Amino acid sequence: DTEVTQTPKHLVMGMTNKKSLKCEQHMGHRAMYWYKQKAKKPPELMFVYSYEKLSINESVPSRFSPECPNSSLLNLHLHALQPEDSALYLCASSQDMGVNEKLFFGSGTQLSVL
Amino acid sequence: GQSLEQPSEVTAVEGAIVQINCTYQTSGFYGLSWYQQHDGGAPTFLSYNALDGLEETGRFSSFLSRSDSYGYLLLQELQMKDSASYFCAVRDFEGSQGNLIFGKGTKLSVKP
Repeated sequence: DTEVTQTPKHLVMGMTNKKSLKCEQHMGHRAMYWYKQKAKKPPELMFVYSYEKLSINESVPSRFSPECPNSSLLNLHLHALQPEDSALYLCASSQDMGVNEKLFFGSGTQLSVL
Repeated sequence: GQSLEQPSEVTAVEGAIVQINCTYQTSGFYGLSWYQQHDGGAPTFLSYNALDGLEETGRFSSFLSRSDSYGYLLLQELQMKDSASYFCAVRDFEGSQGNLIFGKGTKLSVKP
């Protein structure tokens, strides 16, 4: 299994809603990532988990809250988002942080904030 | 600071060869990666060069010159399905503690 699975594929939410994005991989990878991608732009790193511990938070607003319940799962909890947060949210994994040139990406969640 | 430069758009015809260049400026360097992303899809890893020279994988090849801080992705026998965005990427040791940062991407359009 070389897949990273993300749900939901599409999400529309209001600015007062709370929602969660989910990501799962069964490749035994020990590093998992959240990237944000705006249209016609490159992916931008948000968070990195290494061995289930938050390693990097790239100055992301607190309305985004990551969680890594176990080595296979990664969540991104969303609360009080702004319309400018509308984007494609990509989850990725790699063998570990030291071998991160080859990332496996999920198909992403296309988020629209109204 | 860290930077990656690549052309924003390239157009070519089916069956042709196209080269997408990437120049980088980094404080530390491990290697250069390439990713492909179709519209609405996920980025997919294509290749990684840590040493100078050409790496070939089927119709795709990638080249690195560490002394010139330069690399390229070469796509041969272009097919319509190769229409996608292509990103070069390096590790960022200034801001992201060694995690990948991506160039702005090159949108390749393959015409019949």
